[in-house]
Amino acid sequence: EVQLVESGGGLVQPGGSLRLSCAASAFTFSNYWMTWVRQAPGKGLEWVANIKQDGSETYYVDSVKGRFTISRDNPRNSLYLQMNSLRAGDTAVYYCARVYYYGSGRYENHFDYWGQGTLVTVSS
Amino acid sequence: DIQMTQSPSSLSASVGDRVTITCRARQSISRYLNWYQQKPGKAPKLLIYAASSLQSGVPSRFSGSESGTDFTLTISSLQPEDLATYYCQQSDRTPTFGGGTKVQIK
Repeated sequence: EVQLVESGGGLVQPGGSLRLSCAASAFTFSNYWMTWVRQAPGKGLEWVANIKQDGSETYYVDSVKGRFTISRDNPRNSLYLQMNSLRAGDTAVYYCARVYYYGSGRYENHFDYWGQGTLVTVSS
Repeated sequence: DIQMTQSPSSLSASVGDRVTITCRARQSISRYLNWYQQKPGKAPKLLIYAASSLQSGVPSRFSGSESGTDFTLTISSLQPEDLATYYCQQSDRTPTFGGGTKVQIK
């Protein structure tokens, strides 16, 4: 069964850094785009970043550009999110998810498997 | 980025009721709209993709439709286990979610 397990969350001071990891299993990780989605306490879902199969393309929501970096290690079946210059507004549960393309077009995708999430709290 | 506007933000309905949730895209996204269900304390789950295609394993009481830039998620007969928040999502390289609709059971 496909599994995604996030880790690395915790309490960090404003301006600090944190690296999230997502361990994937039971599918060929290198065949899929992957993504990070976050959810602030009591709020809705916000897409954060995604990365192509070979890491050659990455995309970010404007609010994290220049601060967050998404990366992957295909031999280790792992996805990462390096978060720098953290702000209180980054406090959220961070989910990794698999991006499934059901067609060949750039829009023909959905997020079919999600991890359980890891909580990041930015506070002094 | 493409803004998605979802309505209502919350609703309360009785078991057996027909429930409709709407999502409007600011610009044309063709049929590239997905719907997710998120139960309290859980990760989101894909229900509908490409506006009207039912994800495998999802009960047939869930359906989706589109009309231009307006998209609709319908629950034909609300069940107690459908208590959840529902989100629409456009699936560009920089995807965006709607604000969510919290469905409560009367």
